[in-house]
Amino acid sequence: AQTVTQSQPEMSVQEAETVTLSCTYDTSESDYYLFWYKQPPSRQMILVIRQEAYKQQNATENRFSVNFQKAAKSFSLKISDSQLGDAAMYFCAYRNTLPDYIFGTGTRLKVLA
Amino acid sequence: NAGVTQTPKFRVLKTGQSMTLLCAQDMNHEYMYWYRQDPGMGLRLIHYSVGEGTTAKGEVPDGYNVSRLKKQNFLLGLESAAPSQTSVYFCASRPTSVSSYNEQFFGPGTRLTVL
Repeated sequence: AQTVTQSQPEMSVQEAETVTLSCTYDTSESDYYLFWYKQPPSRQMILVIRQEAYKQQNATENRFSVNFQKAAKSFSLKISDSQLGDAAMYFCAYRNTLPDYIFGTGTRLKVLA
Repeated sequence: NAGVTQTPKFRVLKTGQSMTLLCAQDMNHEYMYWYRQDPGMGLRLIHYSVGEGTTAKGEVPDGYNVSRLKKQNFLLGLESAAPSQTSVYFCASRPTSVSSYNEQFFGPGTRLTVL
């Protein structure tokens, strides 16, 4: 069965600095999708960035980028120039050809002014 | 577009009571999902549906039932609520189009407390 592991329950970063959130997963599939979702205090789940496993190039969305290491089954999220509005829970998620998604347990990110 | 909406946003139940959570989406999505979110456990899938009239069990289906009579609605029922069902419930939907990158769209959540 597929699993998603986020080993950092909580992280802190100074405003304007860079932080990396870790995510590892276990699968025997070769074709799948990976996602990072942000959940601010409002509870709304917001898609931050996504990666298709067959694409070797790391996805980038403005200040957010990923380091996708398929062989190592690692999918980390880097947030550059951290802002106070980045404070939230971040969830890593996996999906293959099945309809359902598997989420990690989340990392709470605190941004210090 | 309203996106994905959930009714109600908050609810308090007594043990043994029943209730239905309503999820509605106006994006003509085929797939719909119900998750529960508990501290330290992330989001866990309760049930999902791949189309009108079809449902399937997820990771934690016990104590819940679902129905998808209309494509735009996905109902989650608790027949006899238990304190262990105290949680935040999220509905999500997604299209089947490959070009959408299979992104899920989430509702705002329902906070349910069972006393």
